[in-house]
Amino acid sequence: EAQVTQNPRYLITVTGKKLTVTCSQNMNHEYMSWYRQDPGLGLRQIYYSMNVEVTDKGDVPEGYKVSRKEKRNFPLILESPSPNQTSLYFCASSRPDSYNEQFFGPGTRLTVL
Amino acid sequence: RKEVEQDPGPFNVPEGATVAFNCTYSNSASQSFFWYRQDCRKEPKLLMSVYSSGNEDGRFTAQLNRASQYISLLIRDSKLSDSATYLCVVNMEYGNKLVFGAGTILRVKS
Repeated sequence: EAQVTQNPRYLITVTGKKLTVTCSQNMNHEYMSWYRQDPGLGLRQIYYSMNVEVTDKGDVPEGYKVSRKEKRNFPLILESPSPNQTSLYFCASSRPDSYNEQFFGPGTRLTVL
Repeated sequence: RKEVEQDPGPFNVPEGATVAFNCTYSNSASQSFFWYRQDCRKEPKLLMSVYSSGNEDGRFTAQLNRASQYISLLIRDSKLSDSATYLCVVNMEYGNKLVFGAGTILRVKS
């Protein structure tokens, strides 16, 4: 089944404790991105990657890091999480010739205390 | 001003009703437009693209008005299963960037 998977789905952590949210897709998509979704603000792009070893900042990259060592994986790293990073996070992927149809993972609900 | 603005709703309608949502965008050079659907606590999924000539997919009709910079989604004969949040999405001119509206909540009741 073609899909985007994220882990963990739910996470409660404390300020300053480094964490990684994994994202993996099995559709051989070149393009991957991370979004956060907050009430009243819609989805905002954090980082994106056009291909392996190619990453770039989105609209709200502060406090996040990403890497793209393999085509299928695009982990999101929070080196020192803070309460304002409490949010619902989505990973997405798409083909470069069909960028507008993004396939989203199921989401990760993160709470930073 | 937000790049993409939507009425958050909720729109509460009975089954069988016709309901319409509008969405405005700020960048007149925006190239392409979409509606995504997001069920409660789930991921967004592409519902339909929006073309200048308008397009229809079953009970759903999407329209684009470039002069007034808005897009619309019309749902006819609403079903309970149409209850969801509808996200207006715009591909801005400056590269491969989708900008998402905050969404309009639709609740269809029996």
